[in-house]
Amino acid sequence: GAVVSQHPSWVICKSGTSVKIECRSLDFQATTMFWYRQFPKQSLMLMATSNEGSKATYEQGVEKDKFLINHASLTLSTLTVTSAHPEDSSFYICSAPLRSGYNEQFFGPGTRLTVL
Amino acid sequence: DAKTTQPPSMDCAEGRAANLPCNHSTISGNEYVYWYRQIHSQGPQYIIHGLKNNETNEMASLIITEDRKSSTLILPHATLRDTAVYYCIVRADNYGQNFVFGPGTRLSVLP
Repeated sequence: GAVVSQHPSWVICKSGTSVKIECRSLDFQATTMFWYRQFPKQSLMLMATSNEGSKATYEQGVEKDKFLINHASLTLSTLTVTSAHPEDSSFYICSAPLRSGYNEQFFGPGTRLTVL
Repeated sequence: DAKTTQPPSMDCAEGRAANLPCNHSTISGNEYVYWYRQIHSQGPQYIIHGLKNNETNEMASLIITEDRKSSTLILPHATLRDTAVYYCIVRADNYGQNFVFGPGTRLSVLP
């Protein structure tokens, strides 16, 4: 199946710093990618939809100025957590749909962010 | 997207079949049933999906009732590596539409 990668797989940073997470579709193009956040023992929650060539669409309650999304190309979307605080510590997962007969969606391996 | 209901947890003995149920009584005619699983600290992994016919692949079988209001994911010979949270999601087949994850079923395969 198609592959979606994320980098880094984990990151530890100090409070107040910014962290960039990359999501790449390795063998297919994705005009849309999704960013999810997952807190411990909870399910995945959609944060935003990343659209190549246009602004991202954010879910209610997600601050667009804090979570900057850039869909730079058909294979790359980045999520930047600006001025990170301990409450931003979470598991961030991206996904990308493969335009096919069933529009299957493939998920990245996730990035664990720990803010000290 | 239609809402799904799954038991919060299940146990299964290693080597036995694991049958994971899902209720989706408000499913629409154009919505598919998808199953994903998430092993601890990894991204969700696609298992199988179907519209109304039963489906089988190398990982699992999906049995959908005739009225499509419920389905069962079957792992025929569960192994310890199948321990994970299993998510049943119903979703229309639209490119660019996200998946809405419920709490899923935490399957524990016991030795």
